[in-house]
Amino acid sequence: NAGVTQTPKFQVLKTGQSMTLQCAQDMNHEYMSWYRQDPGMGLRLIHYSVGAGITDQGEVPNGYNVSRSTTEDFPLRLLSAAPSQTSVYFCASSYRGQEAFFGQGTRLTVV
Amino acid sequence: GENVEQHPSTLSVQEGDSAVIKCTYSDSASNYFPWYKQELGKRPQLIIDIRSNVGEKKDQRIAVTLNKTAKHFSLHITETQPEDSAVYFCAAIPSGGYQKVTFGIGTKLQVIP
Repeated sequence: NAGVTQTPKFQVLKTGQSMTLQCAQDMNHEYMSWYRQDPGMGLRLIHYSVGAGITDQGEVPNGYNVSRSTTEDFPLRLLSAAPSQTSVYFCASSYRGQEAFFGQGTRLTVV
Repeated sequence: GENVEQHPSTLSVQEGDSAVIKCTYSDSASNYFPWYKQELGKRPQLIIDIRSNVGEKKDQRIAVTLNKTAKHFSLHITETQPEDSAVYFCAAIPSGGYQKVTFGIGTKLQVIP
């Protein structure tokens, strides 16, 4: 049972580049979410989804897009990377918002 | 939506002492209160949780208490050990669960040997 698989683990982007962070879960969880973690700021919610075809904005959605075409996958797209998006990103899934299972995290640096 | 406040943001204790972290929440409909531990460079993982029909739950050296009237809940770690050093996050989740889940800002606990 793989749980939540998040890739890549590390990424360096140049300002203006775009990229997609991948997230997949094999627990048939309806609820998936993306967080960014910055020093002293905790885990801030970017976007979340309560099921395939349904997404909604979290606390800090600007500059990010998501889609949920299947229950398993919830990719996060950075449209035009900015230095302010340098952070550690976590994907998480849960059954109806209960215990959250996190991916391993992606450390993103935008130069 | 739910608003969760967590304090203190940092906490240093001597090995063997107890540590207490407190969270308050705003939505009276919240009924699930998990605590996560994040070791340096790793992902957050659930260590204990409590539901609104229970006032206290204990698992070895860790315990969580819930006061629904005051809308606050606390994590208690007794006989702290160096491996307890980590960042701890709380969350408060409304009934039904089909809402965005927000976390407290986190508490960095340092256990001094």
